[in-house]
Amino acid sequence: EPEVTQTPSHQVTQMGQEVILRCVPISNHLYFYWYRQILGQKVEFLVSFYNNEISEKSEIFDDQFSVERPDGSNFTLKIRSTKLEDSAMYFCASNGGGLTYNEQFFGPGTRLTVL
Amino acid sequence: TQLLEQSPQFLSIQEGENLTVYCNSSSVFSSLQWYRQEPGEGPVLLVTVVTGGEVKKLKRLTFQFGDARKDSSLHITAAQPGDTGLYLCAGDGQGGSEKLVFGKGTKLTVNP
Repeated sequence: EPEVTQTPSHQVTQMGQEVILRCVPISNHLYFYWYRQILGQKVEFLVSFYNNEISEKSEIFDDQFSVERPDGSNFTLKIRSTKLEDSAMYFCASNGGGLTYNEQFFGPGTRLTVL
Repeated sequence: TQLLEQSPQFLSIQEGENLTVYCNSSSVFSSLQWYRQEPGEGPVLLVTVVTGGEVKKLKRLTFQFGDARKDSSLHITAAQPGDTGLYLCAGDGQGGSEKLVFGKGTKLTVNP
């Protein structure tokens, strides 16, 4: 069964460093998302991406964040200068669009630890 | 701001018991999803409900969407230890928003 994959599974970085989190969405999906979940808290929306551009972003998704689809398969989230409070699980999700309503399929996540 | 409130927050039961968990909001949702999440893993989609009053069954799990599309419930019959996990409901954002708004979840423990 097709699934969303994410790499790395764990990332430890120093405050102020740049990190890139990578995702491979389900192959025929058109809509892509990033969410984060701080330990013990709700899953929170960061950004949605369609047709090679951001379609919606939350107030969390400030200028330190960017997304890119560099080729036909990968979808990346970059944090330019990490802060301690960026420590969280980051989930990529994808949606086939059309009649699938808003069914979003999530990847296994990347645990980001900022020291 | 859309909020989804889930109850109970924690539930611990014995194998074989039935249970119902709830997902409530003052907002109307076009669709609502139920996910299950294991520790350190991503949410796994269980079901999507779309029509007010809709009932969907997935083996021993029964999902219902409220008539007004503001609330939903998940009923598990004859719970098994394998049902242990965090059950999350998520609704789509209003006004054509694509984001999912998540509840905090119900942490279910089924004891053998």
